[in-house]
Order: sequence, then structure tokens, then C-alpha cells
Amino acid sequence: DVKVTQSSRYLVKRTGEKVFLECVQDMDHENMFWYRQDPGLGLRLIYFSYDVKMKEKGDIPEGYSVSREKKERFSLILESASTNQTSMYLCATRTGSQPQHFGDGTRLSIL
Amino acid sequence: GEDVEQSLFLSVREGDSSVINCTYTDSSSTYLYWYKQEPGAGLQLLTYIFSNMDMKQDQRLTVLLNKKDKHLSLRIADTQTGDSAIYFCAECLDTSGTYKYIFGTGTRLKVLA
Repeated sequence: DVKVTQSSRYLVKRTGEKVFLECVQDMDHENMFWYRQDPGLGLRLIYFSYDVKMKEKGDIPEGYSVSREKKERFSLILESASTNQTSMYLCATRTGSQPQHFGDGTRLSIL
Repeated sequence: GEDVEQSLFLSVREGDSSVINCTYTDSSSTYLYWYKQEPGAGLQLLTYIFSNMDMKQDQRLTVLLNKKDKHLSLRIADTQTGDSAIYFCAECLDTSGTYKYIFGTGTRLKVLA
């Protein structure tokens, strides 16, 4: 079974802080994704990566950046957290056209 | 354009069948998926159907695909309280060898005892 591990289930940070969300997968999948989930809006793609050191903007990249230094790890960075970034963040991985596999999510609150 | 739509809520009684509907707009879908999200958790893959199929059955789950109307449905037979969750449909688009997922907004299923 694919294991996708997000470093924190719950996180509380303050406005203006730099926030790191980590995601690690154990299946050597080349594709990794970061989504945010908000009520009534479903999942929205923030950034994705098809390979090490490679990144592509998703639908809502503003205010975020990512890092993929190793194949198994994909980090989402909030450069200067704002209250409108309070959300559930989901990491997913995939190989080829196979289904995406998700982590358990990180519920982030920005105060 | 790319869009996947679902109704937001569905309420059924325990033991009844649930039918969750989804419509999509892009005809170049390769696979269509159903995911389940329990409270406080990530999305778990439930089932999927290849775009050249009409129906897939997996125990209590039946997926129906109407490509002409771009309509996908998930039927859960003998719905149980443990089926209460948010259900997302998603389509996988093949865009020149790159695969892109489009998710619906999710349908919150509430099962009444």
C-alpha cells in the first residue's frame, strides 16, 4: 500500500510567520501534489511536481511556494502566512495515470 | 472547459440505497474516480471506472457512466452509518501525455439511523 505521510495533523501559526508543511511518500512516485480544501469549494490545486527539483503552478499558487529536493519529499511553504490561508491542506502522489493517493491532511489555522 | 459538479448534500436512511451524482464537462477523460473522505482524514480511493466502460460493480458499490450526458453516479446499496462521509468524484484528463485531475466539490452523505 502507498503511504503518504504529512508531518502534522493540526498546526496553529500567526499572521506573517513562514510556515512549512511537509509530505513524504514511500512508493517512489514521480508526481506529487499539494491541494487546499475549503467547504463548498472542493479541492484546489496549489502546486505540483513531476520530478525532483521540478515544480509547476496549479490553480491557486499565490502566497505559496514549494520545494522538492528529494523524490520522496514535497514541501509546501507559506512565505508570510495570512488568515485567508487557514484551510485543510492535502498532499497527494501518483505514478503515471494511476489513481492519486492522499495523506491524512494538515488542518492549518492562521491567527 | 474543465468543470466537475456535484450536489453538496445527501441524506438517506440506514439500509436504503444512496445515489451520488456527478457531471463533468471534458470529454477527454481517461478515468473517473470516486473518493471517500471521513471526518478529519484525507481522501481514500473507493473505486474508479475507465472511460470506455458503462458500469462497474464492487460489492455494495455500483458506478454508472453515461458518456453522452457526461454523467457519473455512485450507488451505495444497503447504506450504513459508517458510509457517512464526503464523496468526491474526479476525472483524469490526458493532456498530451500529462495527466491532470479535476475534482468535484464533494457531496456530504449523512446516513440517518
